[in-house]
Amino acid sequence: AQTVTQSQPEMSVQEAETVTLSCTYDTSESDYYLFWYKQPPSRQMILVIRQEAYKQQNATENRFSVNFQKAAKSFSLKISDSQLGDAAMYFCAEGEKDMRFGAGTRLTVKP
Amino acid sequence: DVKVTQSSRYLVKRTGEKVFLECVQDMDHENMFWYRQDPGLGLRLIYFSYDVKMKEKGDIPEGYSVSREKKERFSLILESASTNQTSMYLCASSLLRQHEQYFGPGTRLTVT
Repeated sequence: AQTVTQSQPEMSVQEAETVTLSCTYDTSESDYYLFWYKQPPSRQMILVIRQEAYKQQNATENRFSVNFQKAAKSFSLKISDSQLGDAAMYFCAEGEKDMRFGAGTRLTVKP
Repeated sequence: DVKVTQSSRYLVKRTGEKVFLECVQDMDHENMFWYRQDPGLGLRLIYFSYDVKMKEKGDIPEGYSVSREKKERFSLILESASTNQTSMYLCASSLLRQHEQYFGPGTRLTVT
């Protein structure tokens, strides 16, 4: 069965600093997708970034980037120049046949 | 933009009541999903549907059923609500099963 593990229940970062959220997963597939979702306090979940497993290049979306280590089955999210609006729950997810989510990391941004 | 709407943001029901949670998406997506979200457990898949009138069980289907009579609408049914079904329920849709999902705002259900 697919499993997704986020080992950091809570993280904190100073505004304008950089923070990295960790995620590991377990799959027997060679082709799959990885995602980071953000859930702000208002609860609507939105996609932050997506990575296709067959692509070696790490995905980047403005201040958000990933470090995808396929052999290690690791998919961390780096947020640069953190802003107050980045405060949210962040969920890592892996999709092959179905989507599986980690337990989430609550990110606090300190002004 | 994809829009996924859910019928209620907050719902309070009594034990034993039949509960209907409705979800509608406007992007002609084939796949629709129901999750429950609990602290420390992330999102757990209850049921999903890959086509009209088609459904598959997820990880925690016990105590739930679903209905998809139209492509845009996916309903979650609690046949006899119990207190352990108090949770946040999230609906999502996607074009392909392994692709990114678009979420509704969620329904916080309290069963007393």
